[in-house]
Amino acid sequence: GQNIDQPTEMTATEGAIVQINCTYQTSGFNGLFWYQQHAGEAPTFLSYNVLDGLEEKGRFSSFLSRSKGYSYLLLKELQMKDSASYLCAVRERGGSYIPTFGRGTSLIVHP
Amino acid sequence: EAGVVQSPRYKIIEKKQPVAFWCNPISGHNTLYWYLQNLGQGPELLIRYENEEAVDDSQLPKDRFSAERLKGVDSTLKIQPAELGDSAVYLCASSLSQTGELFFGEGSRLTVL
Repeated sequence: GQNIDQPTEMTATEGAIVQINCTYQTSGFNGLFWYQQHAGEAPTFLSYNVLDGLEEKGRFSSFLSRSKGYSYLLLKELQMKDSASYLCAVRERGGSYIPTFGRGTSLIVHP
Repeated sequence: EAGVVQSPRYKIIEKKQPVAFWCNPISGHNTLYWYLQNLGQGPELLIRYENEEAVDDSQLPKDRFSAERLKGVDSTLKIQPAELGDSAVYLCASSLSQTGELFFGEGSRLTVL
């Protein structure tokens, strides 16, 4: 099984940088996803990390350290539309490969 | 390309009534998932299909929940009878394979009174 932990809520200012952390425990790591979910909408894919290091995609970057069971999502130049829930999901090796989601971090961006 | 389509978007029923949700995955996606999401929580897996075969349904409460994916395309999730605690958003997702990225539908929000 997996244990995924991320902060419940964060606030930040428009134009700033915010880092959302995710820690996990798993018996067989096979990849980590970040999804964005606006209220009342479907989760949408942001990033996927399977190897250690930083993956950059525009204003969003995701980092993974497998030895530490740790990932973060970095959002730069925050915009009001970035206010959403950010879901960390870990896929385990062997058998099902089904991603298990954390409870999500609600990010509030204010002017 | 059309995304994952779910219906209905919203459903309000009284407890003990039946309800069904429908999902049409992205064309060509062999893997289909049903997740349940409560307010303020992440999605929790109910069942996963590879084509028409249910390969992981250990989290599906089989006394009242059932699902099918006839012909390996569309899927239906049914609850009979519904209980108050079933009020949640039911998300359908699909992926090209079991190791691929998940694409989610907008969900079906169920309220049981």
